Amino acid sequence: GQQVMQIPQYQHVQEGEDFTTYCNSSTTLSNIQWYKQRPGGHPVFLIQLVKSGEVKKQKRLTFQFGEAKKNSSLHITATQTTDVGTYFCAGRQAGTALIFGKGTTLSVSS
Amino acid sequence: GAVVSQHPSWVICKSGTSVKIECRSLDFQATTMFWYRQFPKQSLMLMATSNEGSKATYEQGVEKDKFLINHASLTLSTLTVTSAHPEDSSFYICSARVFSGTVNTEAFFGQGTRLTVV
Repeated sequence: GQQVMQIPQYQHVQEGEDFTTYCNSSTTLSNIQWYKQRPGGHPVFLIQLVKSGEVKKQKRLTFQFGEAKKNSSLHITATQTTDVGTYFCAGRQAGTALIFGKGTTLSVSS
Repeated sequence: GAVVSQHPSWVICKSGTSVKIECRSLDFQATTMFWYRQFPKQSLMLMATSNEGSKATYEQGVEKDKFLINHASLTLSTLTVTSAHPEDSSFYICSARVFSGTVNTEAFFGQGTRLTVV
């Protein structure tokens, strides 16, 4: 079945350093979504990517969708302590429900 | 944006009892809702897809007689954990499908329900 793999599982950075998490699907996706979950909280939608090669930015966050629509990345520039949490990618094949990656937990020390 | 309200946010119940969790779309109609389960420090695992007015579609390995899902209206889906046991303790989250432009997105999650079975 469809699998969505996400790496790394954990990442610790110093405040101000950059951070990237990668997401790979075993199958071509119709779209991919990114979520952030704080400890004890629920997933909060960040963005959805639909087009091949799409790049979207939200302030210090840059999201990319690969040309083959099988991989995606989230890059945070100059991390802040407020960026702490677990970032999930979730991909969908046409007509199916979202399949979540295992998430990347980011910790930031000041 | 669309708001999904989930209730209760946490519940403690005795082993053998049943617990009902509600998921409501507050300002939109959700023809499809999804129920997920999340173990500590793990990802969200889809349990079932709930369609208004029809039977839920369960993922492989999810016992439909144990996790009863009802989607009686366009704004409410319920998940009932029947005869709960300690291994059912988990974080249960619902989400609602919203049609945005040309694609569907389950962008909106409820707050989640932390179930502890003692």
